[in-house]
Amino acid sequence: GAVVSQHPSRVICKSGTSVKIECRSLDFQATTMFWYRQFPKKSLMLMATSNEGSKATYEQGVEKDKFLINHASLTLSTLTVTSAHPEDSSFYICSARDPRAPDTQYFGPGTRLTVL
Amino acid sequence: QQQVKQSPQSLIVQKGGISIINCAYENTAFDYFPWYQQFPGKGPALLIAIRPDVSEKKEGRFTISFNKSAKQFSLHIMDSQPGDSATYFCAASGARGQFYFGTGTSLTVIP
Repeated sequence: GAVVSQHPSRVICKSGTSVKIECRSLDFQATTMFWYRQFPKKSLMLMATSNEGSKATYEQGVEKDKFLINHASLTLSTLTVTSAHPEDSSFYICSARDPRAPDTQYFGPGTRLTVL
Repeated sequence: QQQVKQSPQSLIVQKGGISIINCAYENTAFDYFPWYQQFPGKGPALLIAIRPDVSEKKEGRFTISFNKSAKQFSLHIMDSQPGDSATYFCAASGARGQFYFGTGTSLTVIP
């Protein structure tokens, strides 16, 4: 099956700093990637849809300037949490759509962000 | 607004039993309904998926039943095993291919 990786798996940062999370599709080219946020024992909340070469589409209530998304290539999308605060602490998960199976999404292993 | 409602929130099943998780949706534009399994600290993994033109799909021990008129679908896990203990999410896919997830069901299979 399609493989999606994320880096880093865990990150701890100080309040006010910015953190970048990478999402890569390892064995396919993903024209579309998605970013989700998940709180403990809660569901996945879609943050934004990222299309290669164009601006991301953000879901209602997600701050574009706070969560910067860049999809510079067919295998890499990045999420930058700017000026992070403790309330941004969460599990961030990306997914990618494989053109060979365009209906579904393959998820990365997630990134645990802790903001002190 | 929760686009996809899922129940129960938690489920305990004896080994060998059948686990049943239910989901309901409102948006008739949804056209793809996957189920994902998630272990703690990991990303979700696709289990099985269905389109609304089919009423049932079976893959191994996993079966999706789909009722288009009621806008409901369910996951049945036959012969449940302790290794099936995980959180299960249903989802529905919108026009842009974005997924809206249910609230999740924590399944525990006791030996």
